[in-house]
Amino acid sequence: AQSVSQHNHHVILSEAASLELGCNYSYGGTVNLFWYVQYPGQHLQLLLKYFSGDPLVKGIKGFEAEFIKSKFSFNLRKPSVQWSDTAEYFCAVIAVYSSASKIIFGSGTRLSIRP
Amino acid sequence: GAGVSQSPSNKVTEKGKDVELRCDPISGHTALYWYRQSLGQGLEFLIYFQGNSAPDKSGLPSDRFSAERTGGSVSTLTIQRTQQEDSAVYLCASSFFLLGETAFENSPLHFGNGTRLTVT
Repeated sequence: AQSVSQHNHHVILSEAASLELGCNYSYGGTVNLFWYVQYPGQHLQLLLKYFSGDPLVKGIKGFEAEFIKSKFSFNLRKPSVQWSDTAEYFCAVIAVYSSASKIIFGSGTRLSIRP
Repeated sequence: GAGVSQSPSNKVTEKGKDVELRCDPISGHTALYWYRQSLGQGLEFLIYFQGNSAPDKSGLPSDRFSAERTGGSVSTLTIQRTQQEDSAVYLCASSFFLLGETAFENSPLHFGNGTRLTVT
């Protein structure tokens, strides 16, 4: 069965530090990839997505992610974090079959930023 | 409405009781999804609707769980004989296009705020 792994459960950084959150998936075929963010008390929002084309994807609020097919990875990065980036981040994958697909989410990474 | 609406926002129930959770998707959204978010477990897929039909029910954890969608709009998730392990936040999401459609790329999932279910 397809799965998504986010190995960092809780990351604590100081403001202006660089961020990289890992995401690995297990499926050898065509995939669509997403990062969602959940700010405290808010609903999940799309941060960025990859369907095809340039494997380096730019999202909102200065986030980017790189799809590396050979590593089955889609890590999220931001060069300089802000206190307002404190949130939970979820990686998600669609393993594209010929029939119905499903969106599978990772277990999430909680990001805490020290002001 | 402007977004996906879920009700109730919080539900506390006694073990063994039945509960119904409601999701109002964004108007016109064809696809509707239910997920369960448990502490430290991430989002667990439950069921996916295309219109009123559910091509993928593989995530429903047991036969105590069922869901329906009527009129291509509102969906209800029913949990019968609730157990303590059912305690979680139940999230609903909708999208205009269906999974597998090319245009899905331009129609991301819109999530509701969830229903926090506590079984005592």
